[in-house]
Amino acid sequence: EAQVTQNPRYLITVTGKKLTVTCSQNMNHEYMSWYRQDPGLGLRQIYYSMNVEVTDKGDVPEGYKVSRKEKRNFPLILESPSPNQTSLYFCASSPGTGGLHQPQHFGDGTRLSIL
Amino acid sequence: AQSVAQPEDQVNVAEGNPLTVKCTYSVSGNPYLFWYVQYPNRGLQFLLKYITGDNLVKGSYGFEAEFNKSQTSFHLKKPSALVSDSALYFCAVKRNTGFQKLVFGTGTRLLVSP
Repeated sequence: EAQVTQNPRYLITVTGKKLTVTCSQNMNHEYMSWYRQDPGLGLRQIYYSMNVEVTDKGDVPEGYKVSRKEKRNFPLILESPSPNQTSLYFCASSPGTGGLHQPQHFGDGTRLSIL
Repeated sequence: AQSVAQPEDQVNVAEGNPLTVKCTYSVSGNPYLFWYVQYPNRGLQFLLKYITGDNLVKGSYGFEAEFNKSQTSFHLKKPSALVSDSALYFCAVKRNTGFQKLVFGTGTRLLVSP
């Protein structure tokens, strides 16, 4: 089954404790992206990647890191999480390099709570 | 820069009645437009898109959307709502030339009552 898989689905942690949210897709997509969803703000892009070893900042990259060492994986790293990073996070992928009209496929989300 | 406005936080409709979820956009040049749906505890699912051509686009689950260039709108419609259509709906836009990120609206919650 074609899918984007995120782990963990839920995480409660404390300020300053490094964490990684994994994202993996099995569709051989070039483009991958991370979003955060907050009430009243919709989805905002954190980082995106157009292919292996190619990443760039989205609208709200502060406090986050990403890497794209393999085509299928695009982990999101919070080096020193803070409470304002409490949110619902989505990973998405699509074929091509993001400049076309292919729809994005989304994971089921990761709900992070930073205390 | 692109932007999307979904003016209604929530739309309420009775089952069997037609529904409309509104979306207006701003983009320099011509747009690609998308509708996505989000069910509880799930990621966004693609419903339909406008690329070019026919202004009326048909998508999944009986939904359709009408592209209106003069009004810069892309409203989502369905002739007869189902209770199972209750969900959060997002409109999104990107410019159709070069690399442009996808920009989402703030979402509209659709509540269909029995």
